[in-house]
Amino acid sequence: DTEVTQTPKHLVMGMTNKKSLKCEQHMGHRAMYWYKQKAKKPPELMFVYSYEKLSINESVPSRFSPECPNSSLLNLHLHALQPEDSALYLCASSHRHRDRLDKSGNTIYFGEGSWLTVV
Amino acid sequence: GQQVMQIPQYQHVQEGEDFTTYCNSSTTLSNIQWYKQRPGGHPVFLIQLVKSGEVKKQKRLTFQFGEAKKNSSLHITATQTTDVGTYFCAGLRRNDKIIFGKGTRLHILP
Repeated sequence: DTEVTQTPKHLVMGMTNKKSLKCEQHMGHRAMYWYKQKAKKPPELMFVYSYEKLSINESVPSRFSPECPNSSLLNLHLHALQPEDSALYLCASSHRHRDRLDKSGNTIYFGEGSWLTVV
Repeated sequence: GQQVMQIPQYQHVQEGEDFTTYCNSSTTLSNIQWYKQRPGGHPVFLIQLVKSGEVKKQKRLTFQFGEAKKNSSLHITATQTTDVGTYFCAGLRRNDKIIFGKGTRLHILP
């Protein structure tokens, strides 16, 4: 069982639709992540939020728009997606490693993911 | 760019045989983590290694972190069907980026 909750678990959307993926954690983690995973590939980092501020954007197209309303929530807004954007979108959270002297604070806890299909 | 190489890409073993996957980074890592992902599932954290030369064991799993903190290995003794899945290493870089290796898919032959 994971303490990172993602909704919806499955989403089918058209290329003109606007939808959002949601993520929630109550572990007191101050770093939250969006990863994208295609079949038989590793998770690919998209965004990192640290203390509710966007700290890393891995050159993700603007049709993906992240939002961190508070320390427990992370959203990914989707607009004008392409079929090749179909993938498993994973949310994750961790303590920031710099907050832990033993550098053990960056263990990532993943949600179960949202399976996105763009048609 | 990110460089965490993981080999082999696939591994088929008979049940009861041992299995090892290796990760190598082009740069020194602050630490390395290992994850397991079952087919259709999400990555699940297994362990984190922080210290140079560190070795940790979890039942039949042995994890090692190289002296230079650039390589790591996961060894499974006497594999079981429940070990099926993809094993990923993930390295922490200095800027909070956690970069995954490409993973090793383990298949167990009965």
